[in-house]
Amino acid sequence: DTGVSQNPRHKITKRGQNVTFRCDPISEHNRLYWYRQTLGQGPEFLTYFQNEAQLEKSRLLSDRFSAERPKGSFSTLEIQRTEQGDSAMYLCASSLDGSVLNEPQHFGDGTRLSIL
Amino acid sequence: LAKTTQPISMDSYEGQEVNITCSHNNIATNDYITWYQQFPSQGPRFIIQGYKTKVTNEVASLFIPADRKSSTLSLPRVSLSDTAVYYCLVGDERYSSASKIIFGSGTRLSIRP
Repeated sequence: DTGVSQNPRHKITKRGQNVTFRCDPISEHNRLYWYRQTLGQGPEFLTYFQNEAQLEKSRLLSDRFSAERPKGSFSTLEIQRTEQGDSAMYLCASSLDGSVLNEPQHFGDGTRLSIL
Repeated sequence: LAKTTQPISMDSYEGQEVNITCSHNNIATNDYITWYQQFPSQGPRFIIQGYKTKVTNEVASLFIPADRKSSTLSLPRVSLSDTAVYYCLVGDERYSSASKIIFGSGTRLSIRP
């Protein structure tokens, strides 16, 4: 059981730079989710994919954020022109098909982004 | 839409049984109740899920009364390694939107020696 893998684990960058994170889900999982988590709060949903199709985006996902899952396997989350407020932990999760709200999700350990 | 309320924090000691209660007064007929555990610098981990009565696995038990307006996560004989944040989620089958997945702030459980 390889679990959900996220890279890098930590990213420090200057304001205004672009950053890209990668997520490798559990291989048999068709669904892949991205969340953002700030200190003391629970994860907040950003977007999710069913195979390669991006089916939903949260209003939290501004136009500086873009996510892809080109072959229905790994996914990338890119943030352009980073701002101080983007500092957070970015979590990826995957799940089997089923109810979006009830199917248990398997999370990676996240990428912690710090904007200087 | 069902919302959940759970204590901000709880303290206990090693070897004790810990019960964390989550209120969900507006739970709908098709809602399931799911609990996740999160350690610092790690992603949440699925613990248990239930719909009614009692569910038990190797980690915890979940008690759901007949009216389903609350649920209780029970951790038997806790150890220091159970110190974590615990999230209660209620999923409404009527809504297919993933934006309805709401973790909230969770319950911060601290276990002392």
